[in-house]
Amino acid sequence: DAKTTQPPSMDCAEGRAANLPCNHSTISGNEYVYWYRQIHSQGPQYIIHGLKNNETNEMASLIITEDRKSSTLILPHATLRDTAVYYCIVRVGGSGYALNFGKGTSLLVTP
Amino acid sequence: DAGVIQSPRHEVTEMGQEVTLRCKPISGHNSLFWYRQTMMRGLELLIYFNNNVPIDDSGMPEDRFSAKMPNASFSTLKIQPSEPRDSAVYFCASIYGQSGYGYTFGSGTRLTVV
Repeated sequence: DAKTTQPPSMDCAEGRAANLPCNHSTISGNEYVYWYRQIHSQGPQYIIHGLKNNETNEMASLIITEDRKSSTLILPHATLRDTAVYYCIVRVGGSGYALNFGKGTSLLVTP
Repeated sequence: DAGVIQSPRHEVTEMGQEVTLRCKPISGHNSLFWYRQTMMRGLELLIYFNNNVPIDDSGMPEDRFSAKMPNASFSTLKIQPSEPRDSAVYFCASIYGQSGYGYTFGSGTRLTVV
């Protein structure tokens, strides 16, 4: 699986958009970008994933650059409940391999 | 849907004792994963099963750890004998298929070995 690089921590004001970056410069053509988050003391929660097109769901948007070497997870209107560790994971889709979580980005949403 | 159910939620045991952690995956899910989380090492994959068969156990730390999945609705992770360095939160997760999205995690078991 391609290696990912995320900033260790970020802050965001409540109600503003939170933009979480992820670099994956060695990504292969058949590897997807997955985002999960882990709220304190809970198990990780799936957010969104994509291959090369931008994706949006009820939780977030995922913007993948044209060369696919980086991506950004966008929480459009962050709330205090969005405070969590966010993991960017790159993995081949449907291969049967488990997800490998790195260090992630600790996002703090402040009032 | 009750989600992935893990038991117990908390376990405190003495060094040298046997510990058994339990997981009930979501009905219909055919892949099950055991992870361990510590402050130092983060979230580590221990083992995963597909259709009740262990596929990759390379993350199991040593022979003191063993995992079984006797049927599609139940899995156990056993540590015998337990050591203080095994103290961690152990998560179980399940999915249907082999994709990377849609993993559902349980609430975890916080294990403390004294």
